Amino acid sequence: GAVVSQHPSWVICKSGTSVKIECRSLDFQATTMFWYRQFPKQSLMLMATSNEGSKATYEQGVEKDKFLINHASLTLSTLTVTSAHPEDSSFYICSATGLAGQFQETQYFGPGTRLLVL
Amino acid sequence: GQNIDQPTEMTATEGAIVQINCTYQTSGFNGLFWYQQHAGEAPTFLSYNVLDGLEEKGRFSSFLSRSKGYSYLLLKELQMKDSASYLCACMDSNYQLIWGAGTKLIIKP
Repeated sequence: GAVVSQHPSWVICKSGTSVKIECRSLDFQATTMFWYRQFPKQSLMLMATSNEGSKATYEQGVEKDKFLINHASLTLSTLTVTSAHPEDSSFYICSATGLAGQFQETQYFGPGTRLLVL
Repeated sequence: GQNIDQPTEMTATEGAIVQINCTYQTSGFNGLFWYQQHAGEAPTFLSYNVLDGLEEKGRFSSFLSRSKGYSYLLLKELQMKDSASYLCACMDSNYQLIWGAGTKLIIKP
């Protein structure tokens, strides 16, 4: 149990384009999903927390108009990087927590999405 | 402020035992997590402690002392595949996860 998937796993795009990353909980209902960014050899940085059906809560310094998060269902959250620039190139990872039991506090991570903006 | 401290890097020998320490200061406490992260991959969940004591799970064990704000992850019978970063994270009173910077563990033959 507790499987989280992300799609795509790799994205290469031109500067100025928008990129959508999907995060899905495959075998549990994810009431809360988290989006992280990690630059090479650096710590995980929480970008935002999203609860199903409500607006995401963004961490300080993260532009909500640039990183659009939608958590439309209990199994799907999307992160859209709008007008991506080379400095947005990073490893984007989502995680999810669920309703009860082992899923309630523990964050289970997706495999991550590598974004390279040329 | 909230703070998680763990060593930046440790080296150990294949077959040996290694203990990775983590000390924390958080606003409230709702548990401590250990995650393993291989280079270029996302973290994977290892353990969760909310009560004092030792939790054993195969070759890995995690210990917590709430009064000391201290935890450790113990890895036994080290294998080359255990080379990874080990992340300590605490859940505060708002159920927010506070992450440590991670300990890079290097296993030598």
